[in-house]
Amino acid sequence: DAMVIQNPRYQVTQFGKPVTLSCSQTLNHNVMYWYQQKSSQAPKLLFHYYDKDFNNEADTPDNFQSRRPNTSFCFLDIRSPGLGDAAMYLCATSLILGMDQYFGPGTRLLVL
Amino acid sequence: GIQVEQSPPDLILQEGANSTLRCNFSDSVNNLQWFHQNPWGQLINLFYIPSGTKQNGRLSATTVATERYSLLYISSSQTTDSGVYFCAGLQGGSEKLVFGKGTKLTVNP
Repeated sequence: DAMVIQNPRYQVTQFGKPVTLSCSQTLNHNVMYWYQQKSSQAPKLLFHYYDKDFNNEADTPDNFQSRRPNTSFCFLDIRSPGLGDAAMYLCATSLILGMDQYFGPGTRLLVL
Repeated sequence: GIQVEQSPPDLILQEGANSTLRCNFSDSVNNLQWFHQNPWGQLINLFYIPSGTKQNGRLSATTVATERYSLLYISSSQTTDSGVYFCAGLQGGSEKLVFGKGTKLTVNP
């Protein structure tokens, strides 16, 4: 089945220690998104890639970076995680901008 | 940007009951989606419904774009329907999907 896959499902890191979350998709979609969702809140868009074009939301902290080495994979790098970065991180894809988005299962990040 | 409001914020049902969830948006949207977030955190895509009515089993959705609202109907609810239901809209000219705050549904056996 075509799907969006996120690894790992749970990630524990230490304060200030860089961490990378990964997302892959078999849908062959052009657009990949990263969202942050904190407890009891709605998902918040961090950035997206349309093919190789990177689009950062204005309020996304510089601490968050992303890479998309090919169509199938996209990574979220948190350079120096703080306690406030503990959250669920959701990856999503869409065929093109404006079309319906499909989400992966998420990675729950804990910062100690 | 657009504002998306969902009601009610919380809903408790007995298994077998029917319910209607509402989503109002402040401006016209080109893309309206309904999601179910299960207790494990995954967002499940329920409907992509910019306008009109769609049905999928016990769930159906209606969007009246001219009046800027969408409704999600759940019939004969089951305990597995529990979770948070989000609607989200994409404003014309924007790539950003704006989510409502969600409706937390609890279905008791």
